[in-house]
Amino acid sequence: GDSVTQMEGPVTLSEEAFLTINCTYTATGYPSLFWYVQYPGEGLQLLLKATKADDKGSNKGFEATYRKETTSFHLEKGSVQVSDSAVYFCALSHSGGYQKVTFGIGTKLQVIP
Amino acid sequence: DAGVIQSPRHEVTEMGQEVTLRCKPISGHDYLFWYRQTMMRGLELLIYFNNNVPIDDSGMPEDRFSAKMPNASFSTLKIQPSEPRDSAVYFCASSPGGGPANTEAFFGQGTRLTVV
Repeated sequence: GDSVTQMEGPVTLSEEAFLTINCTYTATGYPSLFWYVQYPGEGLQLLLKATKADDKGSNKGFEATYRKETTSFHLEKGSVQVSDSAVYFCALSHSGGYQKVTFGIGTKLQVIP
Repeated sequence: DAGVIQSPRHEVTEMGQEVTLRCKPISGHDYLFWYRQTMMRGLELLIYFNNNVPIDDSGMPEDRFSAKMPNASFSTLKIQPSEPRDSAVYFCASSPGGGPANTEAFFGQGTRLTVV
């Protein structure tokens, strides 16, 4: 079955540091890949997505590239802010009639001033 | 649109009591999902519906859990009887479906359930 593996957290960074959160996946076919973010006390919300190999998703300074050869979708940001402190979930979903989204365990990011 | 609406936001109940969680999906969305989030297990899919029909309930932990979707605008997740290990945050999410461009799931703010 499908699975998503994320790096263990928590990740603690100073403001303006470079961020990488690793994500690899196992799936049949060509899934769509997502990063969701969960701020304290809230539900998950979509951060960015990529629907085919070599696509780059980007939003709010975050980027991730769909690498089929390495089955990876690592999240990066050049300069994190305190407001980026949240839990980040890597996820995949298949197109067509089966719409279940498979989530990784989540990586907690804490950015300190 | 107001987004996915869940109620209540917080629920504290005694062991053995029945608990009902409620969800109103985004209008026009064909898919509805119930998730449970705990520190130990992360985010687990419990059940999902397509056009009000349950499609996959393999994630429902026990017979104590049941979910219904009587119409396109309302779903419930019921736990009867509740146990302390059911304490978690329960999320409802909806999705328009329809292919890669529409597979984003929109989440409610969750219901934090505490069973004492």
